[in-house]
Amino acid sequence: SAVISQKPSRDICQRGTSLTIQCQVDSQVTMMFWYRQQPGQSLTLIATANQGSEATYESGFVIDKFPISRPNLTFSTLTVSNMSPEDSSIYLCSGGTTETQYFGPGTRLLVL
Amino acid sequence: AQKVTQAQTEISVVEKEDVTLDCVYETRDTTYYLFWYKQPPSGELVFLIRRNSFDEQNEISGRYSWNFQKSTSSFNFTITASQVVDSAVYFCALSEASWGGYNKLIFGAGTRLAVHP
Repeated sequence: SAVISQKPSRDICQRGTSLTIQCQVDSQVTMMFWYRQQPGQSLTLIATANQGSEATYESGFVIDKFPISRPNLTFSTLTVSNMSPEDSSIYLCSGGTTETQYFGPGTRLLVL
Repeated sequence: AQKVTQAQTEISVVEKEDVTLDCVYETRDTTYYLFWYKQPPSGELVFLIRRNSFDEQNEISGRYSWNFQKSTSSFNFTITASQVVDSAVYFCALSEASWGGYNKLIFGAGTRLAVHP
């Protein structure tokens, strides 16, 4: 199975600030995705991280709020910009292989 | 549009009971993949199974079994002789197939399973 790591694992931030989450996957992964899981809710896809080009965002998510980079096959970052308490969620990175999608441990974000 | 419905929000059972978690999906694609994930209280999402749309064989893995029926667009998950460690939120998910790997996952709302001693 693919190994996916994320950091930070959790953070408490003040409103109006930004946080960048890093995701590292092993070489088996071909596709990378970022999901959000709001408290008590299911997972919602934010965007597909494309290597060397702009991410593909889902409806309701925009690049100015959630800029994403993927400079190479195995690394991606998600920034949550100008945070508000509504951004308090778990943010999960996932990597797709030919077998399945594996998920990182998630980043628990609390915005005060 | 793709959609996954898990009608059971919460299920509570006593240890050793069998429990079935329901999953109904909608898709117009002929090739797709279905998944089950477990999310224990720790929060990490644990992959349980993947099934492609051309393989309707049921699968058993220890106490876990899955029943895939295309005729009813269902992919149900049964835990036999449940244990306290099975307590978690279980998500069913659907994905289109794409070159190079799987496309994005569409998740159901999840079913919270509580197994009591």
